[in-house]
Amino acid sequence: AQSVAQPEDQVNVAEGNPLTVKCTYSVSGNPYLFWYVQYPNRGLQFLLKYITGDNLVKGSYGFEAEFNKSQTSFHLKKPSALVSDSALYFCAVRDAGTGGFKTIFGAGTRLFVKA
Amino acid sequence: EAGVTQFPSHSVIEKGQTVTLRCDPISGHDNLYWYRRVMGKEIKFLLHFVKESKQDESGMPNNRFLAERTGGTYSTLKVQPAELEDSGVYFCASSQRGVNYYEQYFGPGTRLTVT
Repeated sequence: AQSVAQPEDQVNVAEGNPLTVKCTYSVSGNPYLFWYVQYPNRGLQFLLKYITGDNLVKGSYGFEAEFNKSQTSFHLKKPSALVSDSALYFCAVRDAGTGGFKTIFGAGTRLFVKA
Repeated sequence: EAGVTQFPSHSVIEKGQTVTLRCDPISGHDNLYWYRRVMGKEIKFLLHFVKESKQDESGMPNNRFLAERTGGTYSTLKVQPAELEDSGVYFCASSQRGVNYYEQYFGPGTRLTVT
């Protein structure tokens, strides 16, 4: 069965410092991996995806994520955090092998960036 | 371009009553999805439409939930009769066919409270 784990409910980081939001996944086939961000009273916004190719993918707002197949991880990173990055972040996975569209989300990690 | 819209934004109903949630996807998006997030947990897939056809409804909790997408445009999700455990935020998302179909566009959600 497909699953996503975001081990941290909350991540705190000072503005200007690098940030990492962790995600591990489980699928039977090859994964399609996604990060979404949710700001208060808004829907989820797409940040970036890994489908195939380079393990390091770059997305919106300076975020990037690295696909690590051996560790089944897809951690979200940013070299220098901004206060405006404070939001709820969701990791998600689809099983490419099934050919379906069912996307499994993690429980979310709340990021607080302190000025 | 208008985004995904959902109505109502909030709904408070009593146990045993009926509620209908509506989602208007981005114009031209064939794929439409319903998700639910309960009390800070993971966002759970409910079902997926391609145009007016249900492609995957494996996430629907039980037969108290009925989703429709007549004409392949907007969709409704009816809960009848509502139970306390149905409380949560219901998200709708849409995506287009073709090279960008991996990315889903989410609405702001409908917060349902069953008392």
